[in-house]
Amino acid sequence: GQQVMQIPQYQHVQEGEDFTTYCNSSTTLSNIQWYKQRPGGHPVFLIQLVKSGEVKKQKRLTFQFGEAKKNSSLHITATQTTDVGTYFCAGDRGTALIFGKGTTLSVSS
Amino acid sequence: DAEITQSPRHKITETGRQVTLACHQTWNHNNMFWYRQDLGHGLRLIHYSYGVHDTNKGEVSDGYSVSRSNTEDLPLTLESAASSQTSVYFCASGQGVGTEAFFGQGTRLTVV
Repeated sequence: GQQVMQIPQYQHVQEGEDFTTYCNSSTTLSNIQWYKQRPGGHPVFLIQLVKSGEVKKQKRLTFQFGEAKKNSSLHITATQTTDVGTYFCAGDRGTALIFGKGTTLSVSS
Repeated sequence: DAEITQSPRHKITETGRQVTLACHQTWNHNNMFWYRQDLGHGLRLIHYSYGVHDTNKGEVSDGYSVSRSNTEDLPLTLESAASSQTSVYFCASGQGVGTEAFFGQGTRLTVV
């Protein structure tokens, strides 16, 4: 079945450092979505990428969708303690969303 | 405001018992999903539905069933609870394929 792999599993950074998580699919995706889950919370939608090579920004967050629509990345510039949580990518092949295992980000001040 | 609610939020049950977790959404979304979340495994899809009377198996459907008798509800039933089903369960809904999913607050289930 469809696999969505996400690395790294965990990342610890000092406040102000940058952070990147990568997502790779074994198959071409119709779109990819990113979610954030705060500790003890539920996943919350961040963004959706649809087009090959698409880049979207949300303040300090930059999202990219690969040219082959099989990979994606989320980059956070100058992390803050409010960025703590687990970031999930979710691939959509036109059926249901299949989530990666997530990258848990911790930030020390 | 429209929302998606899960109940109960916490449940402890014994091995072998039947358990039903409720999920109710007021967005009138056609698509509803059940995921389980376990450390090291992320969110794994159990079952999903595209509309009334439609149900589909996800990647970890064994031991679980769902039914969709109306648009608002997708209850998840564990026919005979096992300790391996101890997990946090999330229900989600969405307008259509390829659209944003809205998650409930989750149900923490412990099978003893």
